[in-house]
Amino acid sequence: NAGVTQTPKFRILKIGQSMTLQCTQDMNHNYMYWYRQDPGMGLKLIYYSVGAGITDKGEVPNGYNVSRSTTEDFPLRLELAAPSQTSVYFCASGDRAPYEQYFGPGTRLTVT
Amino acid sequence: EDQVTQSPEALRLQEGESSSLNCSYTVSGLRGLFWYRQDPGKGPEFLFTLYSAGEEKEKERLKATLTKKESFLHITAPKPEDSATYLCAVQAPGGNKLVFGAGTILRVKS
Repeated sequence: NAGVTQTPKFRILKIGQSMTLQCTQDMNHNYMYWYRQDPGMGLKLIYYSVGAGITDKGEVPNGYNVSRSTTEDFPLRLELAAPSQTSVYFCASGDRAPYEQYFGPGTRLTVT
Repeated sequence: EDQVTQSPEALRLQEGESSSLNCSYTVSGLRGLFWYRQDPGKGPEFLFTLYSAGEEKEKERLKATLTKKESFLHITAPKPEDSATYLCAVQAPGGNKLVFGAGTILRVKS
């Protein structure tokens, strides 16, 4: 099993550009999550999904959108990128709450 | 609001020098407390889940304990390969979300 995979690993965007961060898991988990991690700030939840077709906002959803059309994929869309979105983004999946989440390797995004 | 505070922010140990990391939390009705290890440039890796006060879990040189207000990650005779950031997270009732602390950066020197 590959677990949770994320693409791309690195990306530089100009202010106002848009992009999609891809996340795929092969563990047949219903729950999937997007976090951002800033230096010294821990992980902040952006959006999460409890199953295909169901998404909900986390702690810091502004400037982002998600969709969940399949169990395996949970892409994160950035519209009109801003410097405040410079961060490392992690996707995670889990079987069911309150059990552990499994994380992908991350995407390092810089907006200039 | 659910909060998680980890201390210290950074810890430097000599190889073999045992110590503990602290995770204090404020949450109504804890469903679970999680410890993760994160190496530089990688995603967090799950270590332990604790569900109730008094519970303990062990893995190699690591031992996690839980009280009603805090959790400790005890590191016995650490080695340089234990160097990493250790993250604590809690899950409250009524949701599937984890609230993370800022982490403790551990450096073990040989």
